[in-house]
Amino acid sequence: GDSVTQMEGPVTLSEEAFLTINCTYTATGYPSLFWYVQYPGEGLQLLLKATKADDKGSNKGFEATYRKETTSFHLEKGSVQVSDSAVYFCALSAPNTGGFKTIFGAGTRLFVKA
Amino acid sequence: DTEVTQTPKHLVMGMTNKKSLKCEQHMGHRAMYWYKQKAKKPPELMFVYSYEKLSINESVPSRFSPECPNSSLLNLHLHALQPEDSALYLCASSQGGTGIVDEQFFGPGTRLTVL
Repeated sequence: GDSVTQMEGPVTLSEEAFLTINCTYTATGYPSLFWYVQYPGEGLQLLLKATKADDKGSNKGFEATYRKETTSFHLEKGSVQVSDSAVYFCALSAPNTGGFKTIFGAGTRLFVKA
Repeated sequence: DTEVTQTPKHLVMGMTNKKSLKCEQHMGHRAMYWYKQKAKKPPELMFVYSYEKLSINESVPSRFSPECPNSSLLNLHLHALQPEDSALYLCASSQGGTGIVDEQFFGPGTRLTVL
């Protein structure tokens, strides 16, 4: 079945460091790919998305490229801030369910130190 | 308005109580979802409503009973819950519609504790 695998955390970085969170997926068909972020005590919010191969999603300095050949959607940011501390979920929308099922990775907790 | 609201924010209930969680959105979305999230885990899908009809039930125990009174509202009725049902319950919505694969908008969640 469809699945998402992302790097285990927690990831601890100093402010202004470079961030990469790896994400790979397995899916039948052509899924849409997402990164969601969950700040402490809140629900999830969409960070960025990509709907087809080679698309690059970007938002708030974060970016990720849909790589079909490597089935990957790695999240990157050039310079993290303390306010980026949160849990990041890579996800895919399973096309064989009409898009109703979102498969989430396990989540990666990021701590950014001042 | 791009917000999904959920009430209450916190709920403590005994195993014999009956309570309800409420969710509302005014984005014109036609798909609405209930998720359960345990600490340090990703959300687990429970139910999906599409055009006010139940489309997906992920084999959820009958002590959880969803209801979609109209396209903006989603309820989750709780009865005879167990302590292991304690979790964050998230509501979400998406545009919905045949062939649309789109992102979901999440509410802030209801933190449920079952004593």
